[in-house]
Amino acid sequence: QAVVNQEPSLTVSPGGTVTLTCGSSIGAVTDAHNPYWFQQKPGQAPRTLIHDTTNKLSWTPSRFSGSLLGGKAALTLSGAQPEDEAEYFCVLRFSGTYWVFGGGTKLTVL
Amino acid sequence: EVQLVESGGGLVQPGGSLRLSCAVSGFTVSDNHMSWVRQAPGKGLEWVSVIYDNGNKYYVDSVKGRFTISRDNSKNTLYLQMNNLRREDTAVYHCIGYGHNSDPWGQGTLVTVSS
Repeated sequence: QAVVNQEPSLTVSPGGTVTLTCGSSIGAVTDAHNPYWFQQKPGQAPRTLIHDTTNKLSWTPSRFSGSLLGGKAALTLSGAQPEDEAEYFCVLRFSGTYWVFGGGTKLTVL
Repeated sequence: EVQLVESGGGLVQPGGSLRLSCAVSGFTVSDNHMSWVRQAPGKGLEWVSVIYDNGNKYYVDSVKGRFTISRDNSKNTLYLQMNNLRREDTAVYHCIGYGHNSDPWGQGTLVTVSS
C-alpha cells in the first residue's frame, strides 16, 4: 500500500500564513485521491476541516483552505491564530478503494 | 445533526475477539461511505477499513483476514468484528462518515489487547 507524507512539524507566527502538504509515494496527488484534512488538539477527537480537496465543513474557519499544489494536496492557513496550534492529518484514497493517512504535522503558532 | 457513538471496546487478551458498534444519527449509513479509523496511544491516525455505499469493503493490510466491517441498515449502525486480536491493535477506534457527514467525530472506543 502507498505511503502518504506530511511535514513532521511547522511553525507559523500569529497572523502569518503557512501551507501544509500531503504527498503520495506513488505519484502526484489529484482530486481522484479525495484528500481530506483533519485537525486534532491534545486530548480531543479529531475534527474534519476539509473534504475532497477543497470543501469545507460547516465549522471550518474561513482562514483554512484546501488545494492541490505541486503534485500534493495542500492545506493553507492564512492569518494563524493561537487556537490553530494542533496536529493536522491528511488522508488520501487510492484506486478508489483503500485510504492511507499521513503521519501528521504538528503546527506551532509562535 | 450528525452524531456518531462508538461502543464495544474493552480489555481483551491476545487472540481474543471484540465487536465494535457505531450508532449513527443525522444521516443514513447505507447511503454513505463509512470508515473505521484508529489511533494508538501517542500515535497518529491509521485508516482501518471502509464500506462503500455499494457494499464494497476494503481493509488495511495488517487487519485483512482478521477484521470484518459491516452495517445494519435497519439500525443505522456500523460494525467492526475484530478477531485474533494482537497487542498492536491497541488503540482508540473511531467511525467516520464521508464528505459533509465526516464531522463531527465520535469520542471513539478504546480497545486494549493485553494479557
